[in-house]
Amino acid sequence: AQSVAQPEDQVNVAEGNPLTVKCTYSVSGNPYLFWYVQYPNRGLQFLLKYITGDNLVKGSYGFEAEFNKSQTSFHLKKPSALVSDSALYFCAVRFSYGNNRLAFGKGNQVVVIP
Amino acid sequence: GAVVSQHPSRVICKSGTSVKIECRSLDFQATTMFWYRQFPKQSLMLMATSNEGSKATYEQGVEKDKFLINHASLTLSTLTVTSAHPEDSSFYICSAGTSGDNEQFFGPGTRLTVL
Repeated sequence: AQSVAQPEDQVNVAEGNPLTVKCTYSVSGNPYLFWYVQYPNRGLQFLLKYITGDNLVKGSYGFEAEFNKSQTSFHLKKPSALVSDSALYFCAVRFSYGNNRLAFGKGNQVVVIP
Repeated sequence: GAVVSQHPSRVICKSGTSVKIECRSLDFQATTMFWYRQFPKQSLMLMATSNEGSKATYEQGVEKDKFLINHASLTLSTLTVTSAHPEDSSFYICSAGTSGDNEQFFGPGTRLTVL
């Protein structure tokens, strides 16, 4: 069954430092992987996705993620964190081809300290 | 980009009443819409998948008679929480996608509080 794991509950980082949010996945077949961000009392905003092609995917707001097949990981990264990046981040995997159902990780609260 | 709206954004109701939440795709036709439920500081739990013109597919453990879903057009899906109880209080989020598309577009969510 498709699933994702986000091992950390909260990620604290100082403003200007690199930010990494970890995600590992388990899927049958080729993975379709996504990162979303959620601000308080708001819906999810799409950041980036990996379907095929380059392992390094660039997305919105300066975020990028690296698909690593051998480690079954899709960690989200940003070279220099901003206070405005403080939010809840979700990794997700699509269930199966032809069906857009998503399975979400538990989410990581990112706190960027000024 | 694709925009999905939800109405209302917040609703407070008495126990035993029914509440309808609308999800609309504003600038595209959504062949599939999804309904999620989110508890505070927790992940999204998929409740059901809704395809235009057909019955919704519910995830295991979700009561179809409790959470009625209608997807009458390519731009509108509704979720009705029937005979709501305090334990139904939650943040309900919809998303929409097109056939063959890999991406879902999420609505802003509806905060339901049942007194």
